[in-house]
Amino acid sequence: AQSVTQLDSHVSVSEGTPVLLRCNYSSSYSPSLFWYVQHPNKGLQLLLKYTSAATLVKGINGFEAEFKKSETSFHLTKPSAHMSDAAEYFCVVSDGQAAGNKLTFGGGTRVLVKP
Amino acid sequence: NAGVMQNPRHLVRRRGQEARLRCSPMKGHSHVYWYRQLPEEGLKFMVYLQKENIIDESGMPKERFSAEFPKEGPSILRIQQVVRGDSAAYFCASSPDYPTNEKLFFGSGTQLSVL
Repeated sequence: AQSVTQLDSHVSVSEGTPVLLRCNYSSSYSPSLFWYVQHPNKGLQLLLKYTSAATLVKGINGFEAEFKKSETSFHLTKPSAHMSDAAEYFCVVSDGQAAGNKLTFGGGTRVLVKP
Repeated sequence: NAGVMQNPRHLVRRRGQEARLRCSPMKGHSHVYWYRQLPEEGLKFMVYLQKENIIDESGMPKERFSAEFPKEGPSILRIQQVVRGDSAAYFCASSPDYPTNEKLFFGSGTQLSVL
């Protein structure tokens, strides 16, 4: 069984300051991990993914995440927030063993960016 | 190449009516996944289909819900005799082959509201 916990349901940052979104996971197998972003009234967009290669993963729009197996974490960071980063972010795990691409989503973190 | 297309974007039904949600996968994609997002929650897997076959329906409620992906035409998620608890955003995703999480594309979702 696999599960994902996003530790903050809401994060508020000022424009130009760092963003940190926390995610912990559990998985019976070597997991694949993802971060998706959902802007209002839009579909989900893949930000980045970890699939057992480099533990520091760089994604689109300046985001990156670090896989830490010892801490079972996959936190998402960005050095400098932009107004366009206001959205909801989902940490997602897939153990790759289930049929197809059955993904397990965290509860989401809503990011507010203040000018 | 158009993305994953879902319609309608918004669907309003009264209790007891039927809801039919449609998903047209990306061109060349033969795998379709349905996810449900309840208010303030992450997405939860419902069903995985290939053309004319249900591969994994472990996330589908046992009653009133059904899904199909015919040889021709879109995938349909059907909810009979809707209740207020069915109100949610329903997302469809597609991929071109199995099993690669890296090529999973999401639609913009259908927001179902049950009055």
